[in-house]
Amino acid sequence: DVKVTQSSRYLVKRTGEKVFLECVQDMDHENMFWYRQDPGLGLRLIYFSYDVKMKEKGDIPEGYSVSREKKERFSLILESASTNQTSMYLCASSPDRGRNNEQFFGPGTRLTVL
Amino acid sequence: GQSLEQPSEVTAVEGAIVQINCTYQTSGFYGLSWYQQHDGGAPTFLSYNALDGLEETGRFSSFLSRSDSYGYLLLQELQMKDSASYFCAVRDSFSGNTGKLIFGQGTTLQVKP
Repeated sequence: DVKVTQSSRYLVKRTGEKVFLECVQDMDHENMFWYRQDPGLGLRLIYFSYDVKMKEKGDIPEGYSVSREKKERFSLILESASTNQTSMYLCASSPDRGRNNEQFFGPGTRLTVL
Repeated sequence: GQSLEQPSEVTAVEGAIVQINCTYQTSGFYGLSWYQQHDGGAPTFLSYNALDGLEETGRFSSFLSRSDSYGYLLLQELQMKDSASYFCAVRDSFSGNTGKLIFGQGTTLQVKP
């Protein structure tokens, strides 16, 4: 069974802390994505990666960075967490040249920044 | 620009049929997808249409008209468990084979007894 896992289901951090969100996929997918989801705003893309060490900014990259040192792992980093980064964070992956635009999502991390 | 429009909310009763529409604007077109997301859960892939017409998978069907830049998701014999958010999505035509998608804002479907 294909799987995308995220390091934490719930996370509480303080303003100014450095936060790491980890995502691992076991499907050998080339593409990986980080989204945040807020009520009424749908899925907003933060960063994505189409290969190891390759990354592209999404629609809302400010305040975030990413790392992809290995194909199966894609990390989202909040350099200095702020309260407006309280949100649900979803990781997804997809194969290169996928035939049906399917992305596979992890269960999400609900981050609260106090 | 590239964008998708879908209604924000739809309400229907158990056993009924409901249609969720999606209109899109893209520079190139590589198919329309639908995702379902239950409250607190992750989005899951439902369907994909690359060509015009209706694709049926059990109680769910998805339709595409490329000439109208329009598609819909049809849910039949509604059940309480169909209460969820439904997103339409197209591939970003400027991102090559990266698989990057552009999602609609989502339609919240509430099924009532």
